[in-house]
Amino acid sequence: ILNVEQSPQSLHVQEGDSTNFTCSFPSSNFYALHWYRWETAKSPEALFVMTLNGDEKKKGRISATLNTKEGYSYLYIKGSQPEDSATYLCAFITRGSQGNLIFGKGTKLSVKP
Amino acid sequence: EAQVTQNPRYLITVTGKKLTVTCSQNMNHEYMSWYRQDPGLGLRQIYYSMNVEVTDKGDVPEGYKVSRKEKRNFPLILESPSPNQTSLYFCASSLVAPAYNEQFFGPGTRLTVL
Repeated sequence: ILNVEQSPQSLHVQEGDSTNFTCSFPSSNFYALHWYRWETAKSPEALFVMTLNGDEKKKGRISATLNTKEGYSYLYIKGSQPEDSATYLCAFITRGSQGNLIFGKGTKLSVKP
Repeated sequence: EAQVTQNPRYLITVTGKKLTVTCSQNMNHEYMSWYRQDPGLGLRQIYYSMNVEVTDKGDVPEGYKVSRKEKRNFPLILESPSPNQTSLYFCASSLVAPAYNEQFFGPGTRLTVL
């Protein structure tokens, strides 16, 4: 059974702090990685789809990097705001099963004003 | 408005009473998928469909059935629900295989099986 690990489980930061968290996945048979943002009482919303080793994506203050050889991706938030408070999920897709997404348990971010 | 809709949004039922949760998307997406969310376990994929008439098991398919007779609809069927299927269910879709495209999630269906 493939495992996707996210760390830390939760994170509390002050407004204005920059922060980052990690998604670790099996490095063999990598095909793609998704990042989602999930606010309480809402549905997950896509942030990034990453496919290439060394890929770097950016959306506003949020960016992500990908290292498929060592099996990890980092999500960075620059200058955190209270509205960034959410659970951030990553999901891994293998080459052999391109419709099957395996999600990590997420990192819950709380940003205090 | 482009969206994924699910019905019902909330359902309380009893063990053994067959139920269907509908999922519909209006974006002409080929790929659709069902997930369940349980505390401490994260999102787990139940079934997915790469296109019409093509469905595959995800990681937790036991106790569920799906069908994909038309592109826009992907209902989730619980033939004989049990209390361990009490969960929050999400339907999602993407333009083509999710290796290339982001998924759009529906609003969720909270199911309680007594």
